[in-house]
Amino acid sequence: GESVGLHLPTLSVQEGDNSIINCAYSNSASDYFIWYKQESGKGPQFIIDIRSNMDKRQGQRVTVLLNKTVKHLSLQIAATQPGDSAVYFCAENMGPGGSYIPTFGRGTSLIVHP
Amino acid sequence: IAGITQAPTSQILAAGRRMTLRCTQDMRHNAMYWYRQDLGLGLRLIHYSNTAGTTGKGEVPDGYSVSRANTDDFPLTLASAVPSQTSVYFCASSGTAGTGELFFGEGSRLTVL
Repeated sequence: GESVGLHLPTLSVQEGDNSIINCAYSNSASDYFIWYKQESGKGPQFIIDIRSNMDKRQGQRVTVLLNKTVKHLSLQIAATQPGDSAVYFCAENMGPGGSYIPTFGRGTSLIVHP
Repeated sequence: IAGITQAPTSQILAAGRRMTLRCTQDMRHNAMYWYRQDLGLGLRLIHYSNTAGTTGKGEVPDGYSVSRANTDDFPLTLASAVPSQTSVYFCASSGTAGTGELFFGEGSRLTVL
């Protein structure tokens, strides 16, 4: 869930467990969503995307679920590995003003313990 | 494959100085973006450009300016740096605004003293 101050929400899991990272988006007009992974000292990298005409999309070990009713996204990572440790961001394709401006959530830090 | 190149990687700057962060992409993408990343605040959009010759303001544009004279380059300028502009800056591009993934550079870490 959300935290206050300067700390990112953090999810700690054991290697081999499944991870679920949640995200609330802001603009009900957004029709395209992406999850990014950011490793320490690097730029964010694409993981998986989903369009608003879908409610689920699967990739390799990852699944994204979209609930437009409550403006919620989740990223599920199966059999989490230490290499999955990173900060994960969701992004929607529209900003508050309604124009196509990629807008990011605050991010969730995933820590995978061997 | 270079993708997005940012320079400098890191810079320490005295307050009041002018600074330009460079960003170049070789993917012929139409849309380019500048974000700043601060601890606990995620990625916040500073300025964007949907196509060469056009720019727009993002969430936190004050104190920054951009230009988009051609498709490949999208420099970000701090006219008179202030300590609150200490941050990590990421440039990104996408093929078309509104759809498709963003490709990010490796970031420019700026410290304003």
